Amino acid sequence: GAGVSQSPSNKVTEKGKDVELRCDPISGHTALYWYRQSLGQGLEFLIYFQGNSAPDKSGLPSDRFSAERTGGSVSTLTIQRTQQEDSAVYLCASSFGPFTEAFFGQGTRLTVV
Amino acid sequence: KNEVEQSPQNLTAQEGEFITINCSYSVGISALHWLQQHPGGGIVSLFMLSSGKKKHGRLIATINIQEKHSSLHITASHPRDSAVYICAVKETSGSRLTFGEGTQLTVNP
Repeated sequence: GAGVSQSPSNKVTEKGKDVELRCDPISGHTALYWYRQSLGQGLEFLIYFQGNSAPDKSGLPSDRFSAERTGGSVSTLTIQRTQQEDSAVYLCASSFGPFTEAFFGQGTRLTVV
Repeated sequence: KNEVEQSPQNLTAQEGEFITINCSYSVGISALHWLQQHPGGGIVSLFMLSSGKKKHGRLIATINIQEKHSSLHITASHPRDSAVYICAVKETSGSRLTFGEGTQLTVNP
């Protein structure tokens, strides 16, 4: 596609439910990143994929968070047993490689009620 | 102390003014990004630079590697420039971006 695409754009879920967030990177981009921006706070790193492997997942806040990437393309971020503190905008970015310019998606706004 | 610090946190300007946003960082970096975030959350990459200066339209970004400092300048500012501007660095030790807290810019007509 022309840009990084994320879906859904908005998600409201009940506390305790599982959610899946999807990211379609720019075609040909091997590097993919997930970031989170909580209300009133700056962006924080969650996980980095190079191809289908995740050499850096040190930013995942708990074991309720997991992510996978298949075919070197689409990535899914899964949050199990959601908590209110998970409410945030989840942003995906991709780049040709780890040292090239990153392009961001529009984000998924997650609200846990 | 944050690894990436921006100033000012908030900036209000009149249309037409020249604007400067500053970014200082404390780690070794391979590149620095300037990002723009409009209300609604979407982020656009304005520049990625590792040395010198880049210009795109009314936007100019400079970086001084020795001083670990970068500036984003906006010439002839316009209300549509109102957004949050975020400095982000890619550390030499890894591939992740580390972000500043952002500068909220409001340009009044």
